[in-house]
Parts: sequence; structure tokens; C-alpha cells
Amino acid sequence: TQLLEQSPQFLSIQEGENLTVYCNSSSVFSSLQWYRQEPGEGPVLLVTVVTGGEVKKLKRLTFQFGDARKDSSLHITAAQPGDTGLYLCAGEKAGSNYKLTFGKGTLLTVNP
Amino acid sequence: NAGVMQNPRHLVRRRGQEARLRCSPMKGHSHVYWYRQLPEEGLKFMVYLQKENIIDESGMPKERFSAEFPKEGPSILRIQQVVRGDSAAYFCASSRESGEKLFFGSGTQLSVL
Repeated sequence: TQLLEQSPQFLSIQEGENLTVYCNSSSVFSSLQWYRQEPGEGPVLLVTVVTGGEVKKLKRLTFQFGDARKDSSLHITAAQPGDTGLYLCAGEKAGSNYKLTFGKGTLLTVNP
Repeated sequence: NAGVMQNPRHLVRRRGQEARLRCSPMKGHSHVYWYRQLPEEGLKFMVYLQKENIIDESGMPKERFSAEFPKEGPSILRIQQVVRGDSAAYFCASSRESGEKLFFGSGTQLSVL
């Protein structure tokens, strides 16, 4: 069973702080996706990283894919209360992009 | 631009009853996927359907669970004789073509009493 471990499980910070959350696996993935899920809603795709070592920026969010394509990180600069949510990573294996392996997520709370 | 529509949003069933969860994909999407999110667990793939065909059901429990995506109408995930362990959030996703980005619905929260 391929597992994606996300850490930390919970993170509570003040507005304006920076943070990094991690997604680690012993398996190699052809790509890795990051989602944000609000309470009572489905996951919404934020970004897909494909190439080992790739870095993608989405406003204040920076996503990095590890060189070996086994791990990834999400860094948020100057967090805002609107960033509050459950951040999920999901790995995709070649040939079955729909059969995503999801981590359990990091629940982020940004306090005003 | 309606997204993936799932209904009902919440479904309460007693043990032994049947649960039917419906999913209408985004307009123009003919590929549907069902995922289940158990308490304290990550989302897990259940089944992939294209119109009138089951493409991959490797994540479906062997008994009591079935899925269909008829030529007309929504995709249905059916759970017969529900048990407490079936309580979970069930998410449907759709894509326009195989290999393209998945769009998730808001889910159906199933509670089995």
C-alpha cells in the first residue's frame, strides 16, 4: 500500500506568520497534487507538480516536489485567515491518474 | 457553470437499509469517479465509470456496493444493507477526458444509525 504521510496533522498560527507543511512517501509518484478542502465541501485542486525538483508559486503559496518525486512541501508566506482549511496532498501513479493516493491532510487554522 | 452536483448532501440510514448517492458530473464531462473519506482517513478511490461502463472498480468493497453511470441521468453509488462502518463522506469527481484534471463535488455525508 502506497502511503502519503502529511505533517503536521494540525497547525494553528497567527495571521502574518509563515508556515510549511510536508507530504512524504516511500513511493515514487509521476505527479503530486495539492488540494484545499473546506468543511463540508470537496477538495479543490491548487496545483500539480510533475518534475523532480519543480517549484511552483501560486500567490503566497509555494509548492516544491522533491528531486526523487517521493515528497513535497507547501510553504505559505504571511498567512491570512482565508488560508484556513484542510490541505491535502495526493500522489498519482503513471497510467492511472484518477486513482489518486491521498494523505490525511494538514488542518491549518490562521487566527486573526 | 454548475460544478459537480451531489445529492443528497446528508443521508441518514438505519442499519440494514439501502443508501443511494447521486452524482451529476460537470457539463461536458463523461468520466466519473467515486471516492470515500472515512473518519480520520484520507480519501480513497472506489470506482471509475464512463457512460454505461465501469472502467475500474478495484477500490469497491466486494459486497453490498455497486455503481452505475447510465446513458441518461446521474451516476449512482448504491450501498445495500448499510452497516455503521459505511458512515463516511462520499465524494464524486468528474473529468472531461481520461487523464485530465478531476473536479470534486461537495460530497454526501452518510450516517448509519
